[in-house]
Amino acid sequence: KQEVTQIPAALSVPEGENLVLNCSFTDSAIYNLQWFRQDPGKGLTSLLLIQSSQREQTSGRLNASLDKSSGRSTLYIAASQPGDSATYLCAVSAFGGSNYKLTFGKGTLLTVNP
Amino acid sequence: DGGITQSPKYLFRKEGQNVTLSCEQNLNHDAMYWYRQDPGQGLRLIYYSQIVNDFQKGDIAEGYSVSREKKESFPLTVTSAQKNPTAFYLCASSIFRDRGDDEQFFGPGTRLTVL
Repeated sequence: KQEVTQIPAALSVPEGENLVLNCSFTDSAIYNLQWFRQDPGKGLTSLLLIQSSQREQTSGRLNASLDKSSGRSTLYIAASQPGDSATYLCAVSAFGGSNYKLTFGKGTLLTVNP
Repeated sequence: DGGITQSPKYLFRKEGQNVTLSCEQNLNHDAMYWYRQDPGQGLRLIYYSQIVNDFQKGDIAEGYSVSREKKESFPLTVTSAQKNPTAFYLCASSIFRDRGDDEQFFGPGTRLTVL
């Protein structure tokens, strides 16, 4: 059974700092990995999707890497801003049971202090 | 504007009542999904549908029912058999290519509270 773990559970940093969020998964037979952002009481916003054949994806100040063989992904946020404060979720797509499904981590709650 | 809409944003239910949560998408996606989110837990899959008039149970389908009569709509009914329905419910959709690499897009969610 696929399990996804995100470390740390919460992170508080001063504005301007570069930071790394970690995601690990137990079964390396994945098809893709998605990073999402969730603001309090809101839905999920897709940030980056990395296909299993890719090593990294970049969007603006965000860079996500994937090491499938070791079961790890990192989300790097450069020059953090207070507006980056949110919960960040990672999810992996794998074949489970009878079909493909996304398995989510519990998230990292990020607070960027002005 | 293309996207996924969910209604209502907040829903209150008395014990013993069935309630239906709406999810509509205009992205022309084939696949739609319902997830439940509880504090301190990851999202859990309730039901999914890859094509009109077909749907499959997810990990926690007991006490829930769905229908998929139209491509753009995937309503979720929370029945009185669901023992602990208070949660945040999220609907998602994706292009379905049957190869596991589809990107899912999410709606804004419905918060259901049982009184």
